[in-house]
Amino acid sequence: QVQLQQSGPGLVKPSQTLSLTCAISGDYVSSNSAAWNWIRQSPSRGLEWLGRTYYRSKWYNDYAVSVKSRITINADTSKNQFSLQLNSVTPEDTAVYYCARKTTVTTFDIWGQGTMVTVSS
Amino acid sequence: EIVMTQSPATLSVSPGERATLSCRASQSVTSNLAWYQQKPGQAPRLLIYGASTRATGIPARFSGSGSGTEFTLTISSLQSEDFAVYYCQQYNNWPPGTFGQGTKVEIK
Repeated sequence: QVQLQQSGPGLVKPSQTLSLTCAISGDYVSSNSAAWNWIRQSPSRGLEWLGRTYYRSKWYNDYAVSVKSRITINADTSKNQFSLQLNSVTPEDTAVYYCARKTTVTTFDIWGQGTMVTVSS
Repeated sequence: EIVMTQSPATLSVSPGERATLSCRASQSVTSNLAWYQQKPGQAPRLLIYGASTRATGIPARFSGSGSGTEFTLTISSLQSEDFAVYYCQQYNNWPPGTFGQGTKVEIK
């Protein structure tokens, strides 16, 4: 079955870069029928989609307007994983971050285990 | 951006009873509506997509209905493992695919 395994630090200092990785098993990051997403959850903002990467003969990315100037999502086909980088973080970026798969048939059907990221000095 | 509004915020139900949760969209999302269940410390779990199609492995006591702007999730006979927070999410206007604020189903 498809599984997503997240990794990355749980504490980031203000103004620095948040970096998380999501390793895929049971599917491929280069699948033509899936998109690979990052979503975060906080008490103040609820569940918030951040962005996605997907392959349809070439790579595409889409980002939420709220973080568009600070976010990068990359795919690594050699390791079958994708990553999130969020620059210039502030305490408002404190949240649980999830990676998730969305297919062309359903919506977010597979989720990573979540990573609690705290932005604090 | 489409706003998803769930009601009630909290639903108190006895085990074995029926639970009915509502979700309203600020504009039509046709049938591109999903429901998720989330338990403490866990990621959301997809229950329903396409407004009424159960995801793989989801018990038949969970059912979804509606289209356009009004949707309902019904749990026909609540089991102990069903007490959780439930979220709706539209993916008609995608991305970003917005979520509701959640309904907590608690033991009465």
